[in-house]
Amino acid sequence: NAGVMQNPRHLVRRRGQEARLRCSPVKGHSHVYWYRQLPEEGLKFMVYLQKENIIDESGMPKERFSAEFPKEGPSILRIQQVVRGDSAAYFCASSQRGGASTGELFFGEGSRLTVL
Amino acid sequence: DQQVKQNSPSLSVQEGRISILNCDYTNSMFDYFLWYKKYPAEGPTFLISISSIKDKNEDGRFTVFLNKSAKHLSLHIVPSQPGDSAVYFCAASYSMDKLVFGAGTILRVKS
Repeated sequence: NAGVMQNPRHLVRRRGQEARLRCSPVKGHSHVYWYRQLPEEGLKFMVYLQKENIIDESGMPKERFSAEFPKEGPSILRIQQVVRGDSAAYFCASSQRGGASTGELFFGEGSRLTVL
Repeated sequence: DQQVKQNSPSLSVQEGRISILNCDYTNSMFDYFLWYKKYPAEGPTFLISISSIKDKNEDGRFTVFLNKSAKHLSLHIVPSQPGDSAVYFCAASYSMDKLVFGAGTILRVKS
């Protein structure tokens, strides 16, 4: 299955530590989206990236959160100084083009962050 | 700011019967609507979509209906099967922009 690969699947961090979540898109896809799902809620858009560019980060908290999608390697969502409220499932999705509206988003299995 | 709402957290249906999942939206600018299905510990998978220029789209056992005047869409599954048991997310977007998801509805199909 050459789908979207996310790692780690589960990550436990203590308050104040850093969390790094990785996403390898479907081969050939150059568009990556990060979504967060809090308990009992739907998926909330965080950021949309193309290779080396952030296209839309309107859903990203202004502090502690950052994302990148380098020319080589996976996309990384980085959370600094984590707090308990950051505990959530973080989903990455990719598409071949900016096809968010066409259902052409392929989601990974998610990374579940638990902050103690 | 819940632009997409799924007011029923869960739905239980007997195998072979129809499942109807509902979704309401508030943003009249939305022009594309999608349904995603999610099993536990997996990512969402695309199920079916509909453009705002249509009021119905059908794909096998799955049909999506759109009522723009009521800002309401629904997903019908006929006949329901136990394998359909999952969380169903309604999503919407406008101008090829990011998807806005509802909170999801847990469907349980009893055999």
